[in-house]
Amino acid sequence: AQKVTQAQTEISVVEKEDVTLDCVYETRDTTYYLFWYKQPPSGELVFLIRRNSFDEQNEISGRYSWNFQKSTSSFNFTITASQVVDSAVYFCALTEGGGKLIFGQGTELSVKP
Amino acid sequence: NAGVTQTPKFRVLKTGQSMTLLCAQDMNHEYMYWYRQDPGMGLRLIHYSVGEGTTAKGEVPDGYNVSRLKKQNFLLGLESAAPSQTSVYFCASSYVLAGGDNEQFFGPGTRLTVL
Repeated sequence: AQKVTQAQTEISVVEKEDVTLDCVYETRDTTYYLFWYKQPPSGELVFLIRRNSFDEQNEISGRYSWNFQKSTSSFNFTITASQVVDSAVYFCALTEGGGKLIFGQGTELSVKP
Repeated sequence: NAGVTQTPKFRVLKTGQSMTLLCAQDMNHEYMYWYRQDPGMGLRLIHYSVGEGTTAKGEVPDGYNVSRLKKQNFLLGLESAAPSQTSVYFCASSYVLAGGDNEQFFGPGTRLTVL
């Protein structure tokens, strides 16, 4: 069965530190998609990135970068030079059959000034 | 475009009361979903729909019913609310392309407390 594990429940860093959020997944599918969503204190869920299983290129978007490694079934998310506004809960998710997503438990990131 | 909207935003119920949560989307998505979010447990799928008139059970369907009479609306019902149903409920909608590409768009959430 598909599974997504975010082993880090909470992370606390000081502003300007780099931080990596881990995501490990399990699937028997050969074609699948992975996602990251952000949930700021206001509560809404914000889409960050989508990556398909055939594209192992790392992606960078400003201070955000993602490292996808099929060999270790991981899709890690790094924030460079963190800011207070990055404080949020971050969810990793994996496509499951029938149009469903399965979410990890989430990592709560706290960035202190 | 309003995206995905949810009504109401907050609600307090007493044990045994019933209520319906309404989700509406204006993106013409085929797929719609109801999740609940509880501390430390991420989002768990309650029910979902792959098209108008269809519904299916997710991971935690017990105590809930759903209906999708119109493509743009997905209703979540609690027939007899229990304190264990205190949670934040999120609705989402998506397209689903070949290969399972499935970016879900979420509503703002409904915070439900059952006393």
